[in-house]
Amino acid sequence: KAGVTQTPRYLIKTRGQQVTLSCSPISGHRSVSWYQQTPGQGLQFLFEYFSETQRNKGNFPGRFSGRQFSNSRSEMNVSTLELGDSALYLCASSTVPSPEAFFGQGTRLTVV
Amino acid sequence: AQTVTQSQPEMSVQEAETVTLSCTYDTSENNYYLFWYKQPPSRQMILVIRQEAYKQQNATENRFSVNFQKAAKSFSLKISDSQLGDTAMYFCAFPLNNNAGNMLTFGGGTRLMVKP
Repeated sequence: KAGVTQTPRYLIKTRGQQVTLSCSPISGHRSVSWYQQTPGQGLQFLFEYFSETQRNKGNFPGRFSGRQFSNSRSEMNVSTLELGDSALYLCASSTVPSPEAFFGQGTRLTVV
Repeated sequence: AQTVTQSQPEMSVQEAETVTLSCTYDTSENNYYLFWYKQPPSRQMILVIRQEAYKQQNATENRFSVNFQKAAKSFSLKISDSQLGDTAMYFCAFPLNNNAGNMLTFGGGTRLMVKP
């Protein structure tokens, strides 16, 4: 069974641009969550999608958004990039109601 | 609000020895899960072990075991017979609500170095 796949692995963007990150969950997993990991703030929950609906959202500005498609694949979008958005973005998928989440290898975003 | 605290930013251990990583948490829930994740240099978060709060028995997975003290809200991870491949960041994690494993709050992490 293939694991969680995130693309791209690395991205370099300029301040003010927007970016879209992609996550393909494990087959059969309908819940997809996104996390931001930075040296200063650690790992923080961004949002969770289930059956194409955002069920939960963390404490992030509206520049961070996402969506989920009917095949459970998810995208995350960050608009008007700031230097502080430089981070590792991790995606995790799970079945419901399983308590276990399986993570992808992340997308390293650098904003210059 | 649920919070998770890891008081040891860095630790080191000699190969084949035992090391214990500490984690404390705060919650008003009675039934919940707790997790330890490992993040090696490859960056992928890997679930090491999970504990269900209603189970009194401490969870064990091969060389990894936990010491779960519910009243003290303590959840430490013991790694026995440490191996070089155990070198990684270790995160204690707790579901933010509804015991949803896909909506976690993490501790700040402990960087573990296993020395040959």
